[in-house]
Amino acid sequence: AAGVIQSPRHLIKEKRETATLKCYPIPRHDTVYWYQQGPGQDPQFLISFYEKMQSDKGSIPDRFSAQQFSDYHSELNMSSLELGDSALYFCASSLSWTGAYEQYFGPGTRLTVT
Amino acid sequence: GQQVMQIPQYQHVQEGEDFTTYCNSSTTLSNIQWYKQRPGGHPVFLIQLVKSGEVKKQKRLTFQFGEAKKNSSLHITATQTTDVGTYFCAGLAVGNYGQNFVFGPGTRLSVLP
Repeated sequence: AAGVIQSPRHLIKEKRETATLKCYPIPRHDTVYWYQQGPGQDPQFLISFYEKMQSDKGSIPDRFSAQQFSDYHSELNMSSLELGDSALYFCASSLSWTGAYEQYFGPGTRLTVT
Repeated sequence: GQQVMQIPQYQHVQEGEDFTTYCNSSTTLSNIQWYKQRPGGHPVFLIQLVKSGEVKKQKRLTFQFGEAKKNSSLHITATQTTDVGTYFCAGLAVGNYGQNFVFGPGTRLSVLP
């Protein structure tokens, strides 16, 4: 069965650089979530999209932005990277934004900021 | 804001022993979901509970939703080394300002063979 695809899987950037993470949800899933997980931490919700519109906003820094495109894939754009942005970034998709459906997580993108 | 707590933070058990993790929310939840994350892996959905007092079983795993829909538990009978990982609860609260889906901090389970 198709799963959530994230690219790249690993990314190394320097401070103040920008990064773009991509997420391709499971076919027919119209909702995408972005999470940030630091070492030994629980996933922190950043932002979600439903039908290409932002549906919910969590602890996403102003330096980050995201969008969902017409084919439902999503991109997380991160600018002015800081050392503290080093983390595992998960994308998840679900059938609906209501939270009544399980979220399917991608394998994550490991971002290292040096 | 809504807070979801889990205890214990860590649990070390001998293979064959039972294990329970508890999830508590500061607000009433519409539903609660449980996820498992293996070391180096991504969270994987286990189950969703919706009804007050609901109990669901998956082989050796028993999930319970409290009567007040503010707490939940996951119990594993006779743990195996394959149970190693972090177990997260995630609760959905719906209020006047929309919905809020929050993960708990997780309980990290290690199983000694």
